[in-house]
Amino acid sequence: GQQLNQSPQSMFIQEGEDVSMNCTSSSIFNTWLWYKQDPGEGPVLLIALYKAGELTSNGRLTAQFGITRKDSFLNISASIPSDVGIYFCAGAKGSGGSNYKLTFGKGTLLTVNP
Amino acid sequence: DADVTQTPRNRITKTGKRIMLECSQTKGHDRMYWYRQDPGLGLQLIYYSFDVKDINKGEISDGYSVSRQAQAKFSLSLESAIPNQTALYFCAAGTGNEQYFGPGTRLTVT
Repeated sequence: GQQLNQSPQSMFIQEGEDVSMNCTSSSIFNTWLWYKQDPGEGPVLLIALYKAGELTSNGRLTAQFGITRKDSFLNISASIPSDVGIYFCAGAKGSGGSNYKLTFGKGTLLTVNP
Repeated sequence: DADVTQTPRNRITKTGKRIMLECSQTKGHDRMYWYRQDPGLGLQLIYYSFDVKDINKGEISDGYSVSRQAQAKFSLSLESAIPNQTALYFCAAGTGNEQYFGPGTRLTVT
């Protein structure tokens, strides 16, 4: 099935640094979601975006819904060791019927060095 | 948070055995999903259900079946397990486009 292009695949940063990652698609999505997965656990929803151009924050996390509706960005400010994990983007085409299915990126593995 | 629970958390089984993975949610969401996660392949949709009477195949449904016993319960079965079904399995529940995941079941087929 279709996959979203998520980059970078992995990042190694120092504690306190800011992090940016993005997700792109060749087709339009009407909802973008960002999840974090800790080792051995299920993905946890961080931020949901519903409108092109929307900028939403959750603590030190900020995500944006791209104007073209074909991309989304996640930024983490002042990283801390517990930010370690895999970050997934996911997109949904719209509402109604099978459009509720999510398409996932392959994830960005974030490592934070104390 | 949909408070999604999955049982068992870990399971080792032999080739050819039938196995059932169970999922429950407490938030009354109408939609439930089963995903498989393999290293490097991300999350792949196996089956999804929009209500008790609605079951749909996902991207990789071959070798799997599901049952939506109630709004809160959605089980996944492997009728005859094979080694390439070794993976991490996640159930999710949601309303609209947001999905909330359970903690996962690590399944090993030997």
